[in-house]
Amino acid sequence: QKEVEQDPGPLSVPEGAIVSLNCTYSNSAFQYFMWYRQYSRKGPELLMYTYSSGNKEDGRFTAQVDKSSKYISLFIRDSQPSDSATYLCAMIRPDFGSSNTGKLIFGQGTTLQVKP
Amino acid sequence: GAVVSQHPSWVICKSGTSVKIECRSLDFQATTMFWYRQFPKQSLMLMATSNEGSKATYEQGVEKDKFLINHASLTLSTLTVTSAHPEDSSFYICSAISSGRAYNEQFFGPGTRLTVL
Repeated sequence: QKEVEQDPGPLSVPEGAIVSLNCTYSNSAFQYFMWYRQYSRKGPELLMYTYSSGNKEDGRFTAQVDKSSKYISLFIRDSQPSDSATYLCAMIRPDFGSSNTGKLIFGQGTTLQVKP
Repeated sequence: GAVVSQHPSWVICKSGTSVKIECRSLDFQATTMFWYRQFPKQSLMLMATSNEGSKATYEQGVEKDKFLINHASLTLSTLTVTSAHPEDSSFYICSAISSGRAYNEQFFGPGTRLTVL
């Protein structure tokens, strides 16, 4: 079983739709959860990070973490064609008991296409 | 701030040759850099962790003699793919940690596309 599972899609939505992207994970030690956006043939760029459970909002993006279910989500409101990219969830696998340092474990990434 | 560059962006080489990829943190000092490999439609897989002034730590299954990593300064790490073969063709991405944040956030470079003929 992979530590982080993410449906690769592809996911195609019309412009203006609400997009829901999700990941599940198995390691209860994960405390920091990130969402990255990666355009084709580019490096990932951090969209949002969340510590522990709860919601975090930044503009059209909302990240949710449910540690009891080991489930994280990214919602994109009023999606735009420029949001078309691959979205990767990532979590820090803690080193030596420290939750905020360690290796990043990535999901497979979900390819999103927003059609005009 | 926190910009990471990679050079080259693209490289095509013949089988058996060696290729060097540079990763630079442009506006911050990075004591730790990471090297990832990404195959098409797959996620980023960590290859090694590079600490300035010390030997790199390789992930299980990554050949250290094939993927040579040097982190000689706080702003530069290099990955050399020795005796490259077609199966080494991939997208190689580095990242660098900028300290002083709530967590050790990694900033990623734009990646290097390696094609071995």
